[in-house]
Amino acid sequence: GENVEQHPSTLSVQEGDSAVIKCTYSDSASNYFPWYKQELGKRPQLIIDIRSNVGEKKDQRIAVTLNKTAKHFSLHITETQPEDSAVYFCAANSNYQLIWGAGTKLIIKP
Amino acid sequence: DVKVTQSSRYLVKRTGEKVFLECVQDMDHENMFWYRQDPGLGLRLIYFSYDVKMKEKGDIPEGYSVSREKKERFSLILESASTNQTSMYLCASRVQNSGNTIYFGEGSWLTVV
Repeated sequence: GENVEQHPSTLSVQEGDSAVIKCTYSDSASNYFPWYKQELGKRPQLIIDIRSNVGEKKDQRIAVTLNKTAKHFSLHITETQPEDSAVYFCAANSNYQLIWGAGTKLIIKP
Repeated sequence: DVKVTQSSRYLVKRTGEKVFLECVQDMDHENMFWYRQDPGLGLRLIYFSYDVKMKEKGDIPEGYSVSREKKERFSLILESASTNQTSMYLCASRVQNSGNTIYFGEGSWLTVV
């Protein structure tokens, strides 16, 4: 079945710098890749997603890139701010389900 | 605005008790899910339901059961709670199709003593 690996498990960056989180997947039939953000004590919420017919998608300071050949996708956050501190989850669809990465805790240092 | 409501945010139960976690969504979504979230283990799927009265086991169904008698409501049942079921439980829903956004509830923190 599908396996999604997410790295790193913890990422600490200086405020204003960029952050990159990477995920790999195994099911070549996967065609939907969402990213969720979970702030401390709150529910996970979708921040951006990408489908397999595009290679990149941007929304203000966040962007997602997809390399179907290599089966990996990445979340890029530029000009990080304190409110970006959270746990980020990637996922890939497979057999009507979403398969989740283990999460990345992003810490923004002042 | 999609709303997924979990009726109990914080519960403390004794070992062996039967526990019900309730989840209601107001967007007429076909699919509903129960996840368990533990530090370092991400989101693990316990059970899901494609539609009313349908249920499928996820990755970690042991010790749990579910009920979906109405489209808007999906209940998670711990038949006999154990300390290793202490966790945060997340309910979620989406419109039919794995390429659609999943919406989560606020979570239920369960402590079994």
